Amino acid sequence: GQNIDQPTEMTATEGAIVQINCTYQTSGFNGLFWYQQHAGEAPTFLSYNVLDGLEEKGRFSSFLSRSKGYSYLLLKELQMKDSASYLCAVPLYNQGGKLIFGQGTELSVKP
Amino acid sequence: DVKVTQSSRYLVKRTGEKVFLECVQDMDHENMFWYRQDPGLGLRLIYFSYDVKMKEKGDIPEGYSVSREKKERFSLILESASTNQTSMYLCASSPGTSGSSTQYFGPGTRLLVL
Repeated sequence: GQNIDQPTEMTATEGAIVQINCTYQTSGFNGLFWYQQHAGEAPTFLSYNVLDGLEEKGRFSSFLSRSKGYSYLLLKELQMKDSASYLCAVPLYNQGGKLIFGQGTELSVKP
Repeated sequence: DVKVTQSSRYLVKRTGEKVFLECVQDMDHENMFWYRQDPGLGLRLIYFSYDVKMKEKGDIPEGYSVSREKKERFSLILESASTNQTSMYLCASSPGTSGSSTQYFGPGTRLLVL
């Protein structure tokens, strides 16, 4: 079956670095997405990884290990506005763009 | 910029009412999706559509129907609203059917059924 696990919540301090982990089990693999969702708002796209390794995009980086079924989102120089839910999502293999989402990790950034 | 709009941000309806939630995208995307999001359950797919007049059931289609008469518009219909359909409803669109096709979300409709 398909399954995605991520921690329910995390707390970090402004200016620090935080790593949000995601493990997945899917039949077939077609990449992994990270979305950011602020309270009461829509999810917005952060990153897509399909090859192993780290991809950096400003303060945010995303890592993928296909052999381990594992990804993480790394947020550097945390700002208060980074307080949000971070969703890990995996396309269902050969099902035309359908995504399965994790439950999201609620990140609180404290001063 | 991709823009996905939803007809209402907040909606209050009574049990048994027929409810229409409208979603419009302006990027000529092939695919459109309807999700509901509930605390502790995450995003769950209700219905999706790959083309005009085409629809497929997602994981939780019971109590819902959809309509896609035009490429840019995807409507979610609650035939007879019930209190357990109180939720945040999110529409999304994506340009293609490959797994790497990013979904873009609308702002969401928070529906309360009394």
